[in-house]
Amino acid sequence: EIVLTQSPATLSLSPGERATLSCRASQSVSSYLAWYQQKPGQAPRLLIYDASNRATGIPARFSGSGSGTDFTLTISSLEPEDFAVYYCQQRSNWPEFTFGPGTKVDIK
Amino acid sequence: EVQLVESGGGLVQPGGSLRLSCAASGFTFSSYAMSWVRQAPGKGLEWVSAISGSGGSTYYADSVKGRFTISRDNSKNTLYLQMNSLRAEDTAVYYCAKGKAARPNDYFDYWGQGTLVTVSS
Repeated sequence: EIVLTQSPATLSLSPGERATLSCRASQSVSSYLAWYQQKPGQAPRLLIYDASNRATGIPARFSGSGSGTDFTLTISSLEPEDFAVYYCQQRSNWPEFTFGPGTKVDIK
Repeated sequence: EVQLVESGGGLVQPGGSLRLSCAASGFTFSSYAMSWVRQAPGKGLEWVSAISGSGGSTYYADSVKGRFTISRDNSKNTLYLQMNSLRAEDTAVYYCAKGKAARPNDYFDYWGQGTLVTVSS
């Protein structure tokens, strides 16, 4: 089983600041990694797929990078609506999808 | 506009059964794999099961294998999850999720709002 670890667990930032979230896989997942955003009481939303491709309608302030075991989601300048929980997910080890435990981005 | 609407959740006793449904609209349902993903209260996301667009291939997480059955009716644009031998640890919000492409191992680009399943005596 591929285990995904996300850090930090919580990131406290102010609007306008840059957010850098990390996702590390227990073994290589190549570039088969996605990022989702989830707000309280809402379903997750796909942000980034295959490590660096923005999903349809996702603002350019969201970017993803990495390959192998180390991945980063960057939000270049936080908007008020960006405060949420972010999950990474791998699809490399099919038929097994795994999600990371999440990083909460909250308002400082 | 893609819409996924789950139904069928509720309170069930341990050992009981429940059938979830997900009504899909706004896309060619039979062309896309579909999955169920769950989230226990206050916890993270866990993939449960996936099914190919034709319904001919199905996949399960080890935690539900042998107890849950995924199926779909492409004539009704509806996805199902039959859950048997339910346990307390199955308590969660269950989301229906659309695959980004036809292959079952793709990411989830649309999600329903979820239906809550509570397993308790």
